[in-house]
Amino acid sequence: DTGVSQDPRHKITKRGQNVTFRCDPISEHNRLYWYRQTLGQGPEFLTYFQNEAQLEKSRLLSDRFSAERPKGSFSTLEIQRTEQGDSAMYLCASSLNGIFYEQYFGPGTRLTVT
Amino acid sequence: GQNIDQPTEMTATEGAIVQINCTYQTSGFNGLFWYQQHAGEAPTFLSYNVLDGLEEKGRFSSFLSRSKGYSYLLLKELQMKDSASYLCAVIGDYGGATNKLIFGTGTLLAVQP
Repeated sequence: DTGVSQDPRHKITKRGQNVTFRCDPISEHNRLYWYRQTLGQGPEFLTYFQNEAQLEKSRLLSDRFSAERPKGSFSTLEIQRTEQGDSAMYLCASSLNGIFYEQYFGPGTRLTVT
Repeated sequence: GQNIDQPTEMTATEGAIVQINCTYQTSGFNGLFWYQQHAGEAPTFLSYNVLDGLEEKGRFSSFLSRSKGYSYLLLKELQMKDSASYLCAVIGDYGGATNKLIFGTGTLLAVQP
């Protein structure tokens, strides 16, 4: 068990560019979550997958954001036409199926939009 | 609406005991989690409460009162490495399969020598 991994760890991009982040969950976890965290705040829920199905998207996730988990394993989060307000830490978490299982977080991808 | 409140900052002395409070108002309730987050790192799981009462895990304990919408995290024998942000998070009842976490803003704990 190597834990949840995310790539890249840091990304600096210019406003208007597209960026894509990858998350590899713990292998036996069928639930995967994306959260966004800004400085001094707790993580905010963005979207959730059970296996390959995206079951919920937050209203925070505008049309510029899209997430996939094509084979029920790794997931990608793409942001199109980035804006300065997108600058944040993007955290991925995974868990076993069920409410009572804790979510394990990856190290995050820190996005800076200049 | 959904609201989770916790103090923004706390300071305590090495070796002492500190209690971090959390109050919540959510759509239903399916459990409360405490996470620890060191600066620049991912949150790590500390505890989970779904029934009223105290859960103890080594130097860390967590308490829940569902009727009061209240929880606290108790840290004993504080060490310098306990300096971190402590996040309270609730799983509500969203009528579906999601168990997304709703987080508070976190309590930044500074442990002083």
